[in-house]
Amino acid sequence: KAGVTQTPRYLIKTRGQQVTLSCSPISGHRSVSWYQQTPGQGLQFLFEYFSETQRNKGNFPGRFSGRQFSNSRSEMNVSTLELGDSALYLCASSDPGQGKAGANVLTFGAGSRLTVL
Amino acid sequence: AQSVTQLGSHVSVSEGALVLLRCNYSSSVPPYLFWYVQYPNQGLQLLLKYTSAATLVKGINGFEAEFKKSETSFHLTKPSAHMSDAAEYFCAVSKGTGGSYIPTFGRGTSLIVHP
Repeated sequence: KAGVTQTPRYLIKTRGQQVTLSCSPISGHRSVSWYQQTPGQGLQFLFEYFSETQRNKGNFPGRFSGRQFSNSRSEMNVSTLELGDSALYLCASSDPGQGKAGANVLTFGAGSRLTVL
Repeated sequence: AQSVTQLGSHVSVSEGALVLLRCNYSSSVPPYLFWYVQYPNQGLQLLLKYTSAATLVKGINGFEAEFKKSETSFHLTKPSAHMSDAAEYFCAVSKGTGGSYIPTFGRGTSLIVHP
């Protein structure tokens, strides 16, 4: 069973540009969550998509957006990049159909490391 | 609101020594608790989870954790550290009932294993 695939793995952008990151979940997983990981803040929840709908959203500005396609693949976009957006962006998928939602295990991808210059 | 506190951003042990990584949580309802591990240049992977079935939970790679409601703790232990255990460890909590089930992660503890 293939794992969660994130592309690209590494990218460098300059301030003001925008970036799109892609995530392919485990086959059959309908929920996709995105996290931002930085040394100072740890893992911060961005948003969660289920069946093409954003179901939960973290406390990030509107420059951060995402979407999910009918095949459960997800993308996130960051517009008008700032230096502080440099981070590892992690995607995780889960299957909410298995047991109680709170007990769902997240399967993470290796992440997309974004550097903003 | 739920939150997680991991005591110590870095823990250093010798190979063969006991590993103890501390996690305290706050939750207004019975929680689900998780430990994840992140190796360099990789995403997080599940070590173990507590879902109220048993207070002592065994995970992969010889790790285990004990849920102590009276202490609101879920500390991770391993009797004998191995060099391959060097990684970042994250404790996470999500609500068992009501509200958002999105897990909240601690800031992580970096485990350093000396030969």
